[in-house]
Amino acid sequence: DQQVKQNSPSLSVQEGRISILNCDYTNSMFDYFLWYKKYPAEGPTFLISISSIKDKNEDGRFTVFLNKSAKHLSLHIVPSQPGDSAVYFCAASITGNQFYFGTGTSLTVIP
Amino acid sequence: DTGVSQDPRHKITKRGQNVTFRCDPISEHNRLYWYRQTLGQGPEFLTYFQNEAQLEKSRLLSDRFSAERPKGSFSTLEIQRTEQGDSAMYLCASSPVAGTSAYNEQFFGPGTRLTVL
Repeated sequence: DQQVKQNSPSLSVQEGRISILNCDYTNSMFDYFLWYKKYPAEGPTFLISISSIKDKNEDGRFTVFLNKSAKHLSLHIVPSQPGDSAVYFCAASITGNQFYFGTGTSLTVIP
Repeated sequence: DTGVSQDPRHKITKRGQNVTFRCDPISEHNRLYWYRQTLGQGPEFLTYFQNEAQLEKSRLLSDRFSAERPKGSFSTLEIQRTEQGDSAMYLCASSPVAGTSAYNEQFFGPGTRLTVL
């Protein structure tokens, strides 16, 4: 029972354009959502998060949007840079005791 | 503090052997998590400690798996009678105490890659 889903296993974007990564969830009890970035041979690194009481959070080139009615969140990266090429995981938690991760989207930014 | 560390980074073992992994969290973090990640999947939650208390345990954690955090600092994950299906990356993460700005964030270690032959 995958409670957090990332339906696009891969995405390619030209440098300078916008990257949009999507995530869907099924559990309405989730109260916090996070995006992680992962390079090969390393653990995931926290990127940006959003509380369920907000619908948008922005940090530099990264913006996360949350649509609770659709149980959907997205990560926008603009402008995309080659160094952004990595696997991106979305995750959700209930009170920070358990975290549920999606299967990841591999982003390739083409120079 | 340089972050979460895990030891060993790689472990190759034969089926039926026992293995133990160690995780050292960021020193001021009181919460510690273990995950398992297989190819093409995201991290799957295994267990969660707050200080030395094991508060959550996934159904994925069979009775061959045991985790401890004896003094609320480092943690160990032991797998007894390993099976080929146990081959995976085992990730540890830690989080700071409630009330801090990073409370809902997790800081991951580099993982221990287990191969069971």
